[in-house]
Amino acid sequence: NAGVTQTPKFQVLKTGQSMTLQCAQDMNHEYMSWYRQDPGMGLRLIHYSVGAGITDQGEVPNGYNVSRSTTEDFPLRLLSAAPSQTSVYFCASSRGTSKGNEQFFGPGTRLTVL
Amino acid sequence: AQSVTQLGSHVSVSEGALVLLRCNYSSSVPPYLFWYVQYPNQGLQLLLKYTSAATLVKGINGFEAEFKKSETSFHLTKPSAHMSDAAEYFCAVSASGGSYIPTFGRGTSLIVHP
Repeated sequence: NAGVTQTPKFQVLKTGQSMTLQCAQDMNHEYMSWYRQDPGMGLRLIHYSVGAGITDQGEVPNGYNVSRSTTEDFPLRLLSAAPSQTSVYFCASSRGTSKGNEQFFGPGTRLTVL
Repeated sequence: AQSVTQLGSHVSVSEGALVLLRCNYSSSVPPYLFWYVQYPNQGLQLLLKYTSAATLVKGINGFEAEFKKSETSFHLTKPSAHMSDAAEYFCAVSASGGSYIPTFGRGTSLIVHP
């Protein structure tokens, strides 16, 4: 199994540009989520999904959209990039919605917005 | 609401010394607690988790953590630090109501000196 994969690894955008961060998992996990990691802030939840066709907002959803058309894929869209969105983005998945489930993380996408 | 506090954004130890990383949680119901490790330029991976079985939990790479309800703590320890332990460590909690979504602490960077 490849686990959780993310593309691209690095991206530089100009303010106002849009882009999609890709995330895929091959473990048939129901639950998927997106986090951003900023120095001193830890991990903050952007959006999450409990299954295909079901998404919800996390702690910091503004400026981001998600969709989940398949169990495997959970792309994150930046509609109009801003410098405040410069961050490292992690996708994670887990087997289900039990509180004891381990989160499996992708390797991250490092995004810089100029 | 659930929350987790990691005391100390940086902890510095000498190789061979005891490692102690502190985590305190807040929860009105029995929590599930996790420690994750993030090596440089990688995603997070699970070190260990507490799910209401034994209060002393053993994880990978010689780490262990003890759940202390009276102190609302879940500190991470390792008897003897190795250079390879240098990484960012995150404590996480899943607890309140029916929420399965984990809340992460801000992270503690472990620095190991030769």
